[in-house]
Amino acid sequence: RKEVEQDPGPFNVPEGATVAFNCTYSNSASQSFFWYRQDCRKEPKLLMSVYSSGNEDGRFTAQLNRASQYISLLIRDSKLSDSATYLCVVNKAAGNKLTFGGGTRVLVKP
Amino acid sequence: NAGVTQTPKFQVLKTGQSMTLQCAQDMNHEYMSWYRQDPGMGLRLIHYSVGAGITDQGEVPNGYNVSRSTTEDFPLRLLSAAPSQTSVYFCAVKRTGYGYTFGSGTRLTVV
Repeated sequence: RKEVEQDPGPFNVPEGATVAFNCTYSNSASQSFFWYRQDCRKEPKLLMSVYSSGNEDGRFTAQLNRASQYISLLIRDSKLSDSATYLCVVNKAAGNKLTFGGGTRVLVKP
Repeated sequence: NAGVTQTPKFQVLKTGQSMTLQCAQDMNHEYMSWYRQDPGMGLRLIHYSVGAGITDQGEVPNGYNVSRSTTEDFPLRLLSAAPSQTSVYFCAVKRTGYGYTFGSGTRLTVV
């Protein structure tokens, strides 16, 4: 079983719609959680950190459920420019090593 | 990815050749790391460094060497390239308060 698992998608989303997807992690000692965005043939870029109480950044909302060991990302009012692969990233309690999920591809269509 | 410079952007090697992928940062951050990205596998940690003179292995270190003689530079060496090392390589720097910043990547093909 992979340490961090994501539905690869693609999630085909009409422009203006809401899309949500999850990421599960297996290590209960995981301490920090992030969502990164990766455009085709580009480097990953930090979208947002995920805090225990949940957090929002504009149209993006991230949630953490430690009991069930998953994090989620919700995108409201989807824009064409939101089309990308979203990477779930987990940082274990010890050290700075990141563990990446395989990514969820989102395609926003007119 | 301001502050993290990766070179080259593209490279084709023949099996058995060696090469060095360069990563440089101008932000004076201690933690640097190398990842490879393969389809369906996500990014996997190759080697990392917590400061000058200190390096350690990640998840997939075989076939790669690193050194960290200065804070700024963290080169990744392929000793004898194999087709299994065909991948996209990313250098990442941990920036306090900003998460990890990645270089623009090196697309390596080993034939």
